[in-house]
Amino acid sequence: GQNIDQPTEMTATEGAIVQINCTYQTSGFNGLFWYQQHAGEAPTFLSYNVLDGLEEKGRFSSFLSRSKGYSYLLLKELQMKDSASYLCAPMDSNYQLIWGAGTKLIIKP
Amino acid sequence: GAVVSQHPSWVICKSGTSVKIECRSLDFQATTMFWYRQFPKQSLMLMATSNEGSKATYEQGVEKDKFLINHASLTLSTLTVTSAHPEDSSFYICSAREAGSDYNEQFFGPGTRLTVL
Repeated sequence: GQNIDQPTEMTATEGAIVQINCTYQTSGFNGLFWYQQHAGEAPTFLSYNVLDGLEEKGRFSSFLSRSKGYSYLLLKELQMKDSASYLCAPMDSNYQLIWGAGTKLIIKP
Repeated sequence: GAVVSQHPSWVICKSGTSVKIECRSLDFQATTMFWYRQFPKQSLMLMATSNEGSKATYEQGVEKDKFLINHASLTLSTLTVTSAHPEDSSFYICSAREAGSDYNEQFFGPGTRLTVL
């Protein structure tokens, strides 16, 4: 079956760095997306990885290891507005996104 | 670019009535649109995938006669919740995939919060 595993909740301090890990199992693989979702809002795109390695985009970076079925999202210089849920969503062989429950990130001053 | 709108943002209706939600891609053509439902503190649940000009593909457990989807053009898809009941109250989100996109990225609308009394 298809499965996503992320921590349910994480807490970090403003200005710090946090890494959100994701392991996945999918039927086929066409890349992995990370989305941010604030409470009561729709998800917004953060990053996309299809090859192994690190993709950096400003304060956010995402890493992928296809052989391990593993990805992480790295957030640097945390700001209060980064408090949100972070969704790891691999794309299967049918180009459908597979969604888990996400990781709720709480930023404390 | 790549903006998706939804209308209405929220709706309250009486049990037994029907509600139509519109999803539009404003600055791109979307060959494929997706309809999701999300209950509080739960993951996004894909309800159906709709391709322009053809019938929608519904996920297992989603009643196609209750959730009517129409994707009549490359920029508009509609979801009609027929004979709504309180258990249909949820956050409905559409997303659109741009035709010919390199990444097959889905762009999300802002969502529609449906409350059925």
